[in-house]
Amino acid sequence: DSGVTQTPKHLITATGQRVTLRCSPRSGDLSVYWYQQSLDQGLQFLIQYYNGEERAKGNILERFSAQQFPDLHSELNLSSLELGDSALYFCASTADLAGGGEQYFGPGTRLTVT
Amino acid sequence: DQQVKQNSPSLSVQEGRISILNCDYTNSMFDYFLWYKKYPAEGPTFLISISSIKDKNEDGRFTVFLNKSAKHLSLHIVPSQPGDSAVYFCAASARSFGNEKLTFGTGTRLTIIP
Repeated sequence: DSGVTQTPKHLITATGQRVTLRCSPRSGDLSVYWYQQSLDQGLQFLIQYYNGEERAKGNILERFSAQQFPDLHSELNLSSLELGDSALYFCASTADLAGGGEQYFGPGTRLTVT
Repeated sequence: DQQVKQNSPSLSVQEGRISILNCDYTNSMFDYFLWYKKYPAEGPTFLISISSIKDKNEDGRFTVFLNKSAKHLSLHIVPSQPGDSAVYFCAASARSFGNEKLTFGTGTRLTIIP
């Protein structure tokens, strides 16, 4: 158990809908990262938050947004969903202040868009 | 542009023998490398890492070797055990340049044959 929790575990929704994925980082970790893993692909970095502020952005679509709250949990919002958004979405956190080191991953949310 | 490449999608190794997983990278700014292991329905689990100032790092049965001139790293597992059957991801970051995100390869599925 990495200490990172994600809810829900599975999500099935229709095209055009909006969903929210939730992540709670390990106790004390200030940085939260979101990654997307599509079928047979590596994990693609979406966005990073550090202590409530956006720190870095990857290939995140404009239809996607995220935020980190004062209690450090984070939410990833996906809107106007398309079939191609079906993927595993992972959240990771780290206590590594320098960044770029070990990140600890949650179990992921499997999103299926029908 | 795939900056981190794992060219072998799968690998089968006899129990007790050595497993060698390979990874190549193209970005010269990468200075920190990590290996993650992933079981089905779970998030990636951190295994071992290496900084670019080293060429080898060992942790129990796991050793990572880094060849900076060839932009190549490998993970050795000795001896291989059935519980090592999983997908292994190589990842890299450019810590010294303030780039905290991890760039992942597409993974190698390791199967240990009893």
